[in-house]
Amino acid sequence: EVRLEESGGGLVQPGGSLRLSCAASGFTFNSYELNWVRQAPGKGLEWISYISSSGSTIYYADSVKGRFTISRDNAKNTLYLQMNSLRAEDTAVYYCARLLGAVSHWGQGTLVTVSS
Amino acid sequence: DIVMTQSPLSLPVTPGEPASISCRSSQSLLHSNGNNYLDWYLQKPGQSPQILIYLGSKRASGVPDRFSGSGSGTDFTLNISRVEAEDVGVYFCMQTLQTPLFTFGPGTKVDIK
Repeated sequence: EVRLEESGGGLVQPGGSLRLSCAASGFTFNSYELNWVRQAPGKGLEWISYISSSGSTIYYADSVKGRFTISRDNAKNTLYLQMNSLRAEDTAVYYCARLLGAVSHWGQGTLVTVSS
Repeated sequence: DIVMTQSPLSLPVTPGEPASISCRSSQSLLHSNGNNYLDWYLQKPGQSPQILIYLGSKRASGVPDRFSGSGSGTDFTLNISRVEAEDVGVYFCMQTLQTPLFTFGPGTKVDIK
């Protein structure tokens, strides 16, 4: 069974940092590209970052470019999102997701709250 | 960026009756290979999104056959032939043509009348 399990969310002050992790199991991790997608409270879905299976190709949404860094450790089957210079508008549930049509799969998400 | 819109944004439904959701894209999602790069997801209350339909009309594994997707280019429709109580939630369309710069529709909230 494919599993994606996010962790690392919590309450952080504006300007602060947080690192999210996504532990994967049930599939060959190093064969799949992965993404981070977020959902602000009561709002829709926003794709924020992509990483290729090897980690060599990375993309970011403009809303997080320069502040967030996606990475992966294929030996540990884990995806990461380093979030710096956090703002109130970054408050959201963050999902790691495999967005690949028939084999798409999402984790349960981790809540990040940016507030003083 | 490709902008996705959906209508209606709220859809009260009666169990056993059909339901339909529209999704439109600001650019054609039809690739030269003949595929439409449009997926549909359902996010049930308190859960993460789950894939229903990919490439416009292909049902994902385990998805009941009461769900069907149609359309091409910029106009797409998700149909539920007979709504069941377990179908409540928010339905999102997502374009995958400009992978990995995915964009989502705003969502259609389906609930029981």
